Order: sequence, then structure tokens, then C-alpha cells
Amino acid sequence: AQSVSQHNHHVILSEAASLELGCNYSYGGTVNLFWYVQYPGQHLQLLLKYFSGDPLVKGIKGFEAEFIKSKFSFNLRKPSVQWSDTAEYFCAVKGGNKLVFGAGTILRVKS
Amino acid sequence: DTEVTQTPKHLVMGMTNKKSLKCEQHMGHRAMYWYKQKAKKPPELMFVYSYEKLSINESVPSRFSPECPNSSLLNLHLHALQPEDSALYLCASSQRLAGGTYEQYFGPGTRLTVT
Repeated sequence: AQSVSQHNHHVILSEAASLELGCNYSYGGTVNLFWYVQYPGQHLQLLLKYFSGDPLVKGIKGFEAEFIKSKFSFNLRKPSVQWSDTAEYFCAVKGGNKLVFGAGTILRVKS
Repeated sequence: DTEVTQTPKHLVMGMTNKKSLKCEQHMGHRAMYWYKQKAKKPPELMFVYSYEKLSINESVPSRFSPECPNSSLLNLHLHALQPEDSALYLCASSQRLAGGTYEQYFGPGTRLTVT
């Protein structure tokens, strides 16, 4: 069975700072990788996904993530965060027919 | 339209009550999911339906009973719940369950409180 580890539970940044959220997964087969975001009071939304091909994937709102197979990692990045990026971010791994989420990282951006 | 809708938004029920949660999508998706999300925790898979048939049951207690009456609807029937079942219940759908790479679209959830 797959598992997902997110390194930081809480991150506080000032506006314009760069963001990197770590995600490592464990699964022996082919995986599909996702980052979801949950803004306060809103439902889970897909930020970006990796299925195959270019390991650097770009998502919505200026986010990107890099799949490094040798490190079993799929870290999320954004060069310059905004106050509106305050949310909870979940890394998720689909192996087989199940989607498994990491514990989530709460990002607070100070204006 | 990439929307999954869920009703009700909030539900308070006693431990002896019977209630149902409803989920609907009109994207032509043939896989639908129920997740449970406790406060400050990630969503946890409960059930998966594929082509209206139960495909995965993650050892969920029988007081939760899923139903998929057609390809657009997914219900979760609740009976004799415990206070620890209080959580946000999320519905999701994807184009298919297997045979390809399909992302899941999530609904806003039903906030359930068991008193």
C-alpha cells in the first residue's frame, strides 16, 4: 500500500517569499501524483498533477512541482507567494485504485 | 461543468437517528467516492463505486451504508452513529476508476455532527 509524508505541518511566510513544500511517497509501482489545495471554507481543488512525461509540472496560480523518481519526492514550489495562497495543501498519491493523502501542510502568508 | 454537489451542507443527528447524505455529478464520471475528513486530518477513503458497483470498502463500520442508484448519484446512509463519527464527509468523482490516469473532483462536503 502507498503512503505519503509531508514534512511540514505549518508554514508561515511573508508575501513575496518563495515556497517549497516537501512530499515523499512510498509505493512500489507506477504512481500518479497530485497536489490539492483547500482554501478556508472551500472544497478541495486540484493544483497540479503528474502522470508521466516531463517531471516538472505546472499547475494553476503559479504553482509547480517536480517529480524526482530516485528520491520518491514530489515537492511543490511557488517563486513568490501571495496572501491569497493561505490554505492547506495536500500531497496525494494514487497507486492502484486508491488515492492516499498526506497529512497536509497549513500555509499562512502574512501580508 | 466540473462540479460535484453535496447535500446537506450541515447535518446534526442523534445517535438513534437515520439520515442520508447525497452526492451528485453530471460530468459523466463512472467512478464515485466517499471520504471522511476529521478536523486537522487528511481525507480518508471509505468507499469507491465503479459503474454503480461497490468496488472498494475500506473496512467501514456497517452503520455507514453506501448506495449508488445511478451513474450520477451517490448516497451515504447513516444509522446509529457514534459521536466519533462527527467529521466532514466528502464525495468525489473521476472519469473512471482504473485503466487510465484520472483525477478526482471533490464536492464541498457535508459537515456531520453526531450528538
